[in-house]
Amino acid sequence: NAGVTQTPKFQVLKTGQSMTLQCAQDMNHNSMYWYRQDPGMGLRLIYYSASEGTTDKGEVPNGYNVSRLNKREFSLRLESAAPSQTSVYFCATWTGTDTQYFGPGTRLTVL
Amino acid sequence: GQQLNQSPQSMFIQEGEDVSMNCTSSSIFNTWLWYKQDPGEGPVLLIALYKAGELTSNGRLTAQFGITRKDSFLNISASIPSDVGIYFCAGQSSSNTGKLIFGQGTTLQVKP
Repeated sequence: NAGVTQTPKFQVLKTGQSMTLQCAQDMNHNSMYWYRQDPGMGLRLIYYSASEGTTDKGEVPNGYNVSRLNKREFSLRLESAAPSQTSVYFCATWTGTDTQYFGPGTRLTVL
Repeated sequence: GQQLNQSPQSMFIQEGEDVSMNCTSSSIFNTWLWYKQDPGEGPVLLIALYKAGELTSNGRLTAQFGITRKDSFLNISASIPSDVGIYFCAGQSSSNTGKLIFGQGTTLQVKP
């Protein structure tokens, strides 16, 4: 039982490059989320998916796209990376009642 | 949009001391959550609060859901070195989407 897994753990991109961050969960939760964490700003919601087949924008969606591939997987795509997207990205799932469970994070640097 | 103000931003304390941190909001929340983040890891839930006025403990940790539903505090008693990390408050206003609003975090350092 791995919980929430994220790949890759680290990534360095050049401005303009694209990449997809992967997230998978084995807890059978309906809702999944993508956050970014920047120093002194806490975690900010990028996109979320309340259930398979649905996605909605969060607080900071610009420059990102998401895909809820199935119940287990929720990916985050950067089509043209910018230095402002340098951050730590966390995927999370929700039990439907109380807490969200977070993955270990992906540390992204855009040069 | 909704915002949470968490204070203090950082604390450097001696082992054995008690710690207090709080969050305030301009909006009402139905649920308050407190998370801890260790270096290189994702946040992990410490305490969840579901009712205004609720006071809940988890070992040396105690948290309260403010009566106005716009604030919450977390106390850590008799701190130990493994308490080091970043503590986040989070508020949830919608029970349908599970969306959370996070505070900016309190970085705690404990000197042995």
